[in-house]
Amino acid sequence: RKEVEQDPGPFNVPEGATVAFNCTYSNSASQSFFWYRQDCRKEPKLLMSVYSSGNEDGRFTAQLNRASQYISLLIRDSKLSDSATYLCVVNMRTGNQFYFGTGTSLTVIP
Amino acid sequence: SQTIHQWPATLVQPVGSPLSLECTVEGTSNPNLYWYRQAAGRGLQLLFYSVGIGQISSEVPQNLSASRPQDRQFILSSKKLLLSDSGFYLCAWAGRLAGGTWETQYFGPGTRLLVL
Repeated sequence: RKEVEQDPGPFNVPEGATVAFNCTYSNSASQSFFWYRQDCRKEPKLLMSVYSSGNEDGRFTAQLNRASQYISLLIRDSKLSDSATYLCVVNMRTGNQFYFGTGTSLTVIP
Repeated sequence: SQTIHQWPATLVQPVGSPLSLECTVEGTSNPNLYWYRQAAGRGLQLLFYSVGIGQISSEVPQNLSASRPQDRQFILSSKKLLLSDSGFYLCAWAGRLAGGTWETQYFGPGTRLLVL
């Protein structure tokens, strides 16, 4: 079983729509959670960390559900510039490794 | 602030030729360093990580090797490239926070390698 699993999509949504991505992780000892954004042919860049109580950054909201072992990312009022691949990442407290999902592709359509 | 550099940005190499990709980090000390490969349209594959000078952990057996000659320098090498080595090579660093948790990873701009 993979450490982190994501629906690869693609998600094609119109401008202004709300879209949500989920990501599940297999190891209950996981402690740190992140969402990254990767544009085509570029390196992944940190979008936001995911905190236990959930957190918001502008149009982006991240949630963590430890009981069900999943994290989510909600994007409100989608912009064309949100088109990218979104990667969820999990790290265990004592681990040196970060486990990446394969990414969910989002295309925002005019 | 911390910055991470990789070079070259793009590389075209013939099958059987050697490879050396370099990654350097500025503005931090004793970081964890990582090499990933991303094949076209695929996810990130962890190749190597290092917790200190001379300490290398290999995740995937293959014809690649890594070295860390200095605290903030990480090198990916191969003696003979294969066609399957083509991909996007990304270096990343992570620092340890108080309490033992790890700061998130930050990636370099990557090297796009094409083996012909």
